[in-house]
Amino acid sequence: SQQGEEDPQALSIQEGENATMNCSYKTSINNLQWYRQNSGRGLVHLILIRSNEREKHSGRLRVTLDTSKKSSSLLITASRAADTASYFCATDAIRGAQKLVFGQGTRLTINP
Amino acid sequence: NAGVMQNPRHLVRRRGQEARLRCSPMKGHSHVYWYRQLPEEGLKFMVYLQKENIIDESGMPKERFSAEFPKEGPSILRIQQVVRGDSAAYFCASSPPGLNSPLHFGNGTRLTVT
Repeated sequence: SQQGEEDPQALSIQEGENATMNCSYKTSINNLQWYRQNSGRGLVHLILIRSNEREKHSGRLRVTLDTSKKSSSLLITASRAADTASYFCATDAIRGAQKLVFGQGTRLTINP
Repeated sequence: NAGVMQNPRHLVRRRGQEARLRCSPMKGHSHVYWYRQLPEEGLKFMVYLQKENIIDESGMPKERFSAEFPKEGPSILRIQQVVRGDSAAYFCASSPPGLNSPLHFGNGTRLTVT
């Protein structure tokens, strides 16, 4: 079964609005990563947050991690049409030696 | 510095044929991972290899699937006697050593079994 579960499955917003995607997971982790996938392409790494971190920023991206609830959120501020993509969270188990387990993804559509 | 290179991008095979998917990791990366993605789904881990070693193959089907990462040359994912259910996008990723290194993905091989 999938380790990570994203919510919502699909999100459609207007350009300029903020987009929030959530991820829940089941087991203890070393770190949690977020990736973006444009249609027909491979995944691109966005940001990594370690299990002892609570929040991390990178440009217009803000990631939070709550290990007590086994959940993470990805916030994209001031969205642009180019942000249209699928977004996946991925986790590794503490003993997993970097075997990343991906969720089903959130399909984000930014309407101009 | 070229990224992860996968070929072919698209592969069509008839049921019963063999499919060979190739992956050249980024320069300096010694770890290779193979994932499979069905339409509208996430990626499912298949196998993790280092040069000449299979580290974790817990996601590989027990039959027909094999993977290698030889000392020289690309990593190969081999599917023998393909069936329609093997149709999917197969992604390769590589990373340098280190538990917290992000994965760098290729653009995938889309396998269609007719």
